[in-house]
Amino acid sequence: AQRVTQPEKLLSVFKGAPVELKCNYSYSGSPELFWYVQYSRQRLQLLLRHISRESIKGFTADLNKGETSFHLKKPFAQEEDSAMYYCALTLSYNTDKLIFGTGTRLQVFP
Amino acid sequence: GAVVSQHPSRVICKSGTSVKIECRSLDFQATTMFWYRQFPKQSLMLMATSNEGSKATYEQGVEKDKFLINHASLTLSTLTVTSAHPEDSSFYICSVGTGGNQPQHFGDGTRLSIL
Repeated sequence: AQRVTQPEKLLSVFKGAPVELKCNYSYSGSPELFWYVQYSRQRLQLLLRHISRESIKGFTADLNKGETSFHLKKPFAQEEDSAMYYCALTLSYNTDKLIFGTGTRLQVFP
Repeated sequence: GAVVSQHPSRVICKSGTSVKIECRSLDFQATTMFWYRQFPKQSLMLMATSNEGSKATYEQGVEKDKFLINHASLTLSTLTVTSAHPEDSSFYICSVGTGGNQPQHFGDGTRLSIL
């Protein structure tokens, strides 16, 4: 079955430190991977998707099919990055259906 | 991107009550909307795909008679939790699919508490 795993429930770092939020997936096909973010008291919103190959708010994520991973990285964390981050995938045959990981809460201390 | 309004944001009611949650797409005609449920400290789980003008598609394990979905117009989908019980207490979130392999846009969610 398709699954998205985010092993860390909480990640705490100090401002300026590098950040890596881990995401692994299990799916035999060609998925599309996403990172969604939910800031305090705000709705879930798309941060980035692997096919765009963009850097959003300093975050990047590379799809590694060999390791079935899509880790989210930022070289220098900012306090405003504190939020809940969800990794998700859609199936190649049903691009509407999102499968989410359990989320990682990122806390960036000053 | 699409603006999604979900109402109410919070509901507290007695066991046995039926609760209706609305999801509106304010600036996009959505043929497809999605309903998710999130239990505490767990992932968002897709419950059903709401299709305008036709029956919703439910995920395995989701009771269609328990969670009634109506998508009568291109801007409104409703989820009715019938005869709600404490185990139905959860966070319900809707999203709008804008098609063309574009990302979904989410509502603020509804926290349902059944006493």
